[in-house]
Amino acid sequence: GAGVSQSPSNKVTEKGKDVELRCDPISGHTALYWYRQSLGQGLEFLIYFQGNSAPDKSGLPSDRFSAERTGGSVSTLTIQRTQQEDSAVYLCASSLDWDRGNQPQHFGDGTRLSIL
Amino acid sequence: DQQVKQNSPSLSVQEGRISILNCDYTNSMFDYFLWYKKYPAEGPTFLISISSIKDKNEDGRFTVFLNKSAKHLSLHIVPSQPGDSAVYFCAASASHQGAQKLVFGQGTRLTINP
Repeated sequence: GAGVSQSPSNKVTEKGKDVELRCDPISGHTALYWYRQSLGQGLEFLIYFQGNSAPDKSGLPSDRFSAERTGGSVSTLTIQRTQQEDSAVYLCASSLDWDRGNQPQHFGDGTRLSIL
Repeated sequence: DQQVKQNSPSLSVQEGRISILNCDYTNSMFDYFLWYKKYPAEGPTFLISISSIKDKNEDGRFTVFLNKSAKHLSLHIVPSQPGDSAVYFCAASASHQGAQKLVFGQGTRLTINP
């Protein structure tokens, strides 16, 4: 498909385990974003990648959260030593280079993470 | 401190009528605004956007209005159709600050009644 692809779609794990969430952006999109939506909450920004620039990590809630983007395409969000409050839907979005002007972000369907 | 607010958690409209969804913001640095539609178990789908240099943008049945002095934007859907039933999120960014990270409202659940 041509959209943003996220895997897995659902993940259930025990408290204290590490998890990796994957995002495959739309081909040609240089900007990639991670958000999360906790139950009953709006979407919350986590981290942003744009080309070869240093990522904007200002939204990461703790040092247990990290993300990488290899080769300017696929991104992995890693949560170490998961806690129950990490349970949420993690959404990835991508957009064209915003140096071209304002660009809408296009979202994947998310990974629903449940910490037991 | 919620910078983007959607004060109506839900809205019910009859099919064929106009749906009006509202959004207020507090950060005067926001200069790009978007509306997304979300179905259950799916990611948000981009609907329409507006830059702060405009006060109206129209795309088919969807029109977004921006009132910068009031820090208010609205989405009009006319005529409303049953498939429009979903949760609608407004979002804003301060693009000149570098990253276009979006700040979202809490969402409004729109129900279109036949």
